[in-house]
This record gives sequence, C-alpha cells and structure tokens, in this order.
Amino acid sequence: NAGVTQTPKFQVLKTGQSMTLQCAQDMNHEYMSWYRQDPGMGLRLIHYSVGAGITDQGEVPNGYNVSRSTTEDFPLRLLSAAPSQTSVYFCASSYRRGREAFFGQGTRLTVV
Amino acid sequence: AQKVTQAQTEISVVEKEDVTLDCVYETRDTTYYLFWYKQPPSGELVFLIRRNSFDEQNEISGRYSWNFQKSTSSFNFTITASQVVDSAVYFCALRDAGGTSYGKLTFGQGTILTVHP
Repeated sequence: NAGVTQTPKFQVLKTGQSMTLQCAQDMNHEYMSWYRQDPGMGLRLIHYSVGAGITDQGEVPNGYNVSRSTTEDFPLRLLSAAPSQTSVYFCASSYRRGREAFFGQGTRLTVV
Repeated sequence: AQKVTQAQTEISVVEKEDVTLDCVYETRDTTYYLFWYKQPPSGELVFLIRRNSFDEQNEISGRYSWNFQKSTSSFNFTITASQVVDSAVYFCALRDAGGTSYGKLTFGQGTILTVHP
C-alpha cells in the first residue's frame, strides 16, 4: 500500500515549457486535490476532484490544468511555466469529504 | 467563504515548555471538519487530528491536546512538555461538508514552531 505517490520529486523548468506532475493513490479515495505551498502562505488549493470525470477549480487555478480519467490518477499540467509557479506542489487524497487528507511527498518545482 | 487564520507566524520555546498554537476559522456551514497537520523539516505533511463541528469534546493524545470551541470559532493545539522533535510547521485546516465547496480543504498560513534544547 503505497498511499499517495507523486513524481517527480524535483524539477527545473525553463519559462514557457510545459510539464505534467503525476499523482497516484492506491487507497480507492474519491477526493483528490493539488495544492501549492509558498513561504508564509500555507497551502493553497489549485484544483480538486470529487470523483473520476469530475474536477473543479480551487483558489489559484490559473496556469494549471487537470483531468481525472481514473479514480487512481490525478495529473497536474503546467501549460506554459512561469517563474511565479516556482513552488512546492502537494497532491492529496481522502476517502470522503469528512475524512482527513493524505498527502504525497511533494514536488519542488523551480521555473527559471 | 472558508477562512483559517493562524495568527502566530513563529513560536520559539525551550524544551519542556508548554506551547499553544492558535487557530481561528470562518465558515457559513453548520457542518464542517477541522484538522491539524504537522510538517517536519523533511517536508512531508503528517495528519495529527480531525474534529467534527458537532463534537466539541476536547481531545488529549499523549503530550498533544486540542481545544475546540465553536462559540469562538477556535481550534487550538497545545503541546505539553515540548521536545526538540516537535520543531515543525503546524497547519490548521478546515473542510466544509456540503454546498459548492465540499471537497475543498482550506489551510491556515502555518505556525513555525522551534523548540530549543
């Protein structure tokens, strides 16, 4: 039982490049979400999903895209990387709305 | 809209001192869930506790205790006899149960706790 797995752990991108952060969970959780963590700002919600085929925007969705074709996977796409997207990204999943979220190990992304 | 405020940005204590981390929240829902997470220097997020809005019973787990008061919209976290290993960033978070915001977990800004030997 691996829990929530994020890849890669570290990534450096050039401005304008695109990439996909991968997130997979093996707990059959309905809810999955992506957060970014910036100093002094806590964790801010980018996008979330309440089930396969259902996604919605969070607090800071601009510049990011998501899809949820399976229960297990919830990739986050950066369409055209900008230095403002330099951050630590966390993927999380939870069984249902009232339960605690389990987090992946995080991806440290630097955009130069 | 949901909001979580952790007014203490940084706290520094000496080992064995007690320390309380404050958390104040805002929500329009009558049913909601509150959480505390710990983020040690290694960076992962560790779940500590979950509390339902309809359960105001305080909880103690070893050196950790939580005081939930709906009247003041607060969910404070106390570490008794702090240890160096408690040094971490602590986050308070809120999740509404219904409406259009279900599934969203809103975090406070975090409190950096440093425990000195």
